[in-house]
Amino acid sequence: SAVISQKPSRDICQRGTSLTIQCQVDSQVTMMFWYRQQPGQSLTLIATANQGSEATYESGFVIDKFPISRPNLTFSTLTVSNLSPEDSSIYLCSVAEIMGYGYTFGSGTRLTVV
Amino acid sequence: GENVEQHPSTLSVQEGDSAVIKCTYSDSASNYFPWYKQELGKGPQLIIDIRSNVGEKKDQRIAVTLNKTAKHFSLHITETQPEDSAVYFCAAPTAAGNKLTFGGGTRVLVKP
Repeated sequence: SAVISQKPSRDICQRGTSLTIQCQVDSQVTMMFWYRQQPGQSLTLIATANQGSEATYESGFVIDKFPISRPNLTFSTLTVSNLSPEDSSIYLCSVAEIMGYGYTFGSGTRLTVV
Repeated sequence: GENVEQHPSTLSVQEGDSAVIKCTYSDSASNYFPWYKQELGKGPQLIIDIRSNVGEKKDQRIAVTLNKTAKHFSLHITETQPEDSAVYFCAAPTAAGNKLTFGGGTRVLVKP
C-alpha cells in the first residue's frame, strides 16, 4: 500500500494566522482526500484534492477557509486559514489506492490554536 | 449520501474475551466496507475490509461479517489483548464509490 508522509505532525498557532499542511505519497494515486477529526470525534471529509483543478469541497467547508493544492499525483497541501480555537483538530490526508478499494491515511497533523 | 451508524460508542472487555462492534449503512449500492484502528496520536490504520460478494472474512483474531440484506456489518475481535485497546471506525463508500463515510467510532478498552 501507499506510504504517506504528512507534515507537520503538530503545531501550535496564533488565532488569525494560517497553517499549511503537506501530504507526500510515495506512489502515484488517483484520489487524495483531506479529513478533519475534532477532539474525541470521528473523521469528517473536508474535500477531495483534484490534480490540476480546483478541489471538491463537502458541505460546510469552503475554499476560502480551506484552500487546497494538488500540483501532481503524489503531493497535496491543505491550508487552514484565519485560524480560530474552533479549528483545533487533527487534519488527515488520505489516498485511494489505484489497485483495489483500499484507502490509506497519513499520521495526521495535530493543530492547536491559541 | 451514505449514512453510517456505529455501536457501541465505548466497549470494555476483559483480556481474553471477545469484542463485537456493529455498523449499519444506508446506501444499498455500497460494496466495500473497511475497518480502521486508531491508536492515540496516530492516523487510522486499515485492519480488515470486506467486499459485498462475500459474507465473512477472517484474519487471525479479527473477522468481519456482512449482511447486505439488513445493511449491516460487524467487526469481531477474539482473544482480546491489551494492545487491542484503541478506537475503531467502520466506513462505507458513497454511491459514487470514491469517498468514505465513517461511523462515529468505538473506544475499546481491554482490561488485563
